Amino acid sequence: GIQVEQSPPDLILQEGANSTLRCNFSDSVNNLQWFHQNPWGQLINLFYIPSGTKQNGRLSATTVATERYSLLYISSSQTTDSGVYFCAVMERTSGSRLTFGEGTQLTVNP
Amino acid sequence: GAVVSQHPSRVICKSGTSVKIECRSLDFQATTMFWYRQFPKQSLMLMATSNEGSKATYEQGVEKDKFLINHASLTLSTLTVTSAHPEDSSFYICSANERAGSQPQHFGDGTRLSIL
Repeated sequence: GIQVEQSPPDLILQEGANSTLRCNFSDSVNNLQWFHQNPWGQLINLFYIPSGTKQNGRLSATTVATERYSLLYISSSQTTDSGVYFCAVMERTSGSRLTFGEGTQLTVNP
Repeated sequence: GAVVSQHPSRVICKSGTSVKIECRSLDFQATTMFWYRQFPKQSLMLMATSNEGSKATYEQGVEKDKFLINHASLTLSTLTVTSAHPEDSSFYICSANERAGSQPQHFGDGTRLSIL
């Protein structure tokens, strides 16, 4: 099956800093989603981005499908951005199944 | 937007109890739903694919007799953890697509299961 690697595994920032999270995947995908999991376990859907670039406020994401990676940018980070960020992909040959990466644990300190 | 509702959000029960978790698509029909399990400090792992009107498809290593899945309608899938034991304690999350294929999946808020 497809392999999904996220980096870095852990990231500690001061409030106001910018950061880039990376997701590499090993095969062609139909779907790529970025999620933020909050301390209560809820998965917040940030972006549905199988290709191209999208922006939503302080967050933006870029997926280069031909090179099999996606980047999530967080600008002017806030303490409420803390949590785990997951990348999940839907392999073209897997129907609708999503495969998750191991996540990036982000901590934003005041 | 599409909403998936999961109930209950938290269950604490004694060993040997069977626990049922419901997953509902509130404003769309879902022929396929998915059940994931997440242990502390780990990622989400797909347990099974729930298919409306037919048997679920289980991932390798997931006991189908332990985790019973029923998808009796286009808006409801249930996961029953039978004779639960402490090692079944985990966070269970369901998801659904509005349409099959390359569409975003929508996730429920999860169920935290604790077996004493």
